[in-house]
Amino acid sequence: DAGITQSPRHKVTETGTPVTLRCHQTENHRYMYWYRQDPGHGLRLIHYSYGVKDTDKGEVSDGYSVSRSKTEDFLLTLESATSSQTSVYFCASRENTEAFFGQGTRLTVV
Amino acid sequence: AQSVTQLDSQVPVFEEAPVELRCNYSSSVSVYLFWYVQYPNQGLQLLLKYLSGSTLVESINGFEAEFNKSQTSFHLRKPSVHISDTAEYFCAVRGTGNQFYFGTGTSLTVIP
Repeated sequence: DAGITQSPRHKVTETGTPVTLRCHQTENHRYMYWYRQDPGHGLRLIHYSYGVKDTDKGEVSDGYSVSRSKTEDFLLTLESATSSQTSVYFCASRENTEAFFGQGTRLTVV
Repeated sequence: AQSVTQLDSQVPVFEEAPVELRCNYSSSVSVYLFWYVQYPNQGLQLLLKYLSGSTLVESINGFEAEFNKSQTSFHLRKPSVHISDTAEYFCAVRGTGNQFYFGTGTSLTVIP
């Protein structure tokens, strides 16, 4: 398995607070992705990165921002958390064909 | 943008029976196709992939999938399922770009 670590694994936060989720990979993969997983929707892409400081929006990017200052780290920030952002968040990385996934972060916004 | 349709959200099947999980994708000139498996409270793990060449691809644990270009399908099959196959299965496609597109998933439940 690719070395992809997400932190924290679980978080409960209040509406309106900022939240940052971290993804760390040890594979030196060029591409990194943030997805959210919700029942009935499968995985939906939030943002992805194709290199250091190179990022692009996915289909559900509103309310989220990302940063990638180093190859190994990809941060996802919820600027002001809302209840609709309660979800399970997955990070993934890729060098060639397939993506490798982290274990997920379960975020609850109350 | 690509789209992926998994027609069955839940599939119950008895142990040792065969199973087919269906996946259709929107047409594209060339695509890479994937099946991922997700066990409870875990991330997604690659089950198998189609890149090019033989249209039938196999995994190490007995699953196989066949790429059918004319029907834009990539159905997953296993001739005899085990209890341990109970999981969520996701079909995914990537075209020539960087994005992966996932289906909504099929929950496979193997009944003893």
